[in-house]
Amino acid sequence: AQTVTQSQPEMSVQEAETVTLSCTYDTSESDYYLFWYKQPPSRQMILVIRQEAYKQQNATENRFSVNFQKAAKSFSLKISDSQLGDAAMYFCAYSSLLFNNNDMRFGAGTRLTVKP
Amino acid sequence: NAGVTQTPKFQVLKTGQSMTLQCAQDMNHEYMSWYRQDPGMGLRLIHYSVGAGITDQGEVPNGYNVSRSTTEDFPLRLLSAAPSQTSVYFCASSPGQDLYEQYFGPGTRLTVT
Repeated sequence: AQTVTQSQPEMSVQEAETVTLSCTYDTSESDYYLFWYKQPPSRQMILVIRQEAYKQQNATENRFSVNFQKAAKSFSLKISDSQLGDAAMYFCAYSSLLFNNNDMRFGAGTRLTVKP
Repeated sequence: NAGVTQTPKFQVLKTGQSMTLQCAQDMNHEYMSWYRQDPGMGLRLIHYSVGAGITDQGEVPNGYNVSRSTTEDFPLRLLSAAPSQTSVYFCASSPGQDLYEQYFGPGTRLTVT
């Protein structure tokens, strides 16, 4: 089964600076999706960014970008110009593309603190 | 669109009691899932469905039952609650078919004493 590992339980960044959250995964599949979700104190899970494994170009959404290294099975999230509202738990997730497989696997999460 | 809704938001049960967590979506999504979130463990898949009448087990299915009689609804049943089922439960839906992003409900915090 696929596994997702987030090795940083907690991270801290100064407001307006850049921070990178790490994620590695293990799979034998060649096509899949990877996601970063944000969970603020409200508990709502919010999609930050997604990456299709067959695309070599790294996904970008405004201040959020990823560094996708398929061979290394690494999928890090970079947050630029950090804002106080970025403080949250961040979860990396893997989704198989196998037909009739809705099994999304999550990492344990990284708690991001933003210091003013 | 209301998106994915879950009821109740909070629930306290005694060991051995049964209850159903409700989940509904109004986006006509084929795929629906139930996850539990425990500290330090991320979200783990309990059961999922890829369409009405079709369900399957996820990573941690023991102690839970599901059914999917309509596209909109996907209830999760705890037949005999145990303290190990104390957790936050999330329902999610997904269009499937080349778009595997999951849309999550607001969660239910369940405490079993």
